[in-house]
Amino acid sequence: DAMVIQNPRYQVTQFGKPVTLSCSQTLNHNVMYWYQQKSSQAPKLLFHYYDKDFNNEADTPDNFQSRRPNTSFCFLDIRSPGLGDAAMYLCATSRGGSSYNEQFFGPGTRLTVL
Amino acid sequence: KQEVTQIPAALSVPEGENLVLNCSFTDSAIYNLQWFRQDPGKGLTSLLLIQSSQREQTSGRLNASLDKSSGRSTLYIAASQPGDSATYLCAVRGVDTGNQFYFGTGTSLTVIP
Repeated sequence: DAMVIQNPRYQVTQFGKPVTLSCSQTLNHNVMYWYQQKSSQAPKLLFHYYDKDFNNEADTPDNFQSRRPNTSFCFLDIRSPGLGDAAMYLCATSRGGSSYNEQFFGPGTRLTVL
Repeated sequence: KQEVTQIPAALSVPEGENLVLNCSFTDSAIYNLQWFRQDPGKGLTSLLLIQSSQREQTSGRLNASLDKSSGRSTLYIAASQPGDSATYLCAVRGVDTGNQFYFGTGTSLTVIP
């Protein structure tokens, strides 16, 4: 089945220790998104790629970076995690470039910062 | 900037009841609106996608309607079941915002057996 896969499902890191979250997709979609979701809140878009074009949200901290080496993979790097970065990180994809643009989500990575 | 609101924030109903969840948005220039379900600690599962030219979409016991001019969408769940208990989120994709989707904060639904 075509899908969006996130690894790991749970990540524990120490305050200030860099961490990388991974997302892969078999849908061959052009757009890949990274969202941060805290408890009882809406997903907050951090950034997205349309193919190799990177689109950063204005309020995304510099501490968050992303890489998309190819169509299938996208990574979220948190350079120096703080306690406030503990959250669920959701990866999503969409076809992009047309009005029919359904989003598909991965299962998420729960990040804990000690 | 598009703002999406979902009311109520939480809803509790007895099993078997029909119910309606609401989603409103401030900018009616949208491409589409998507309804999702989220179980605790999990990712989002797509339920229904409505294009701006459509009035409604149906999938099983779910029916979503869209009134673009008034900036509203409803998700109707028929004959609710305990397994429907989850948080339901709506998201809109605006004409002027490229590939971005704007989310509401969701409605947490509990169906009591």
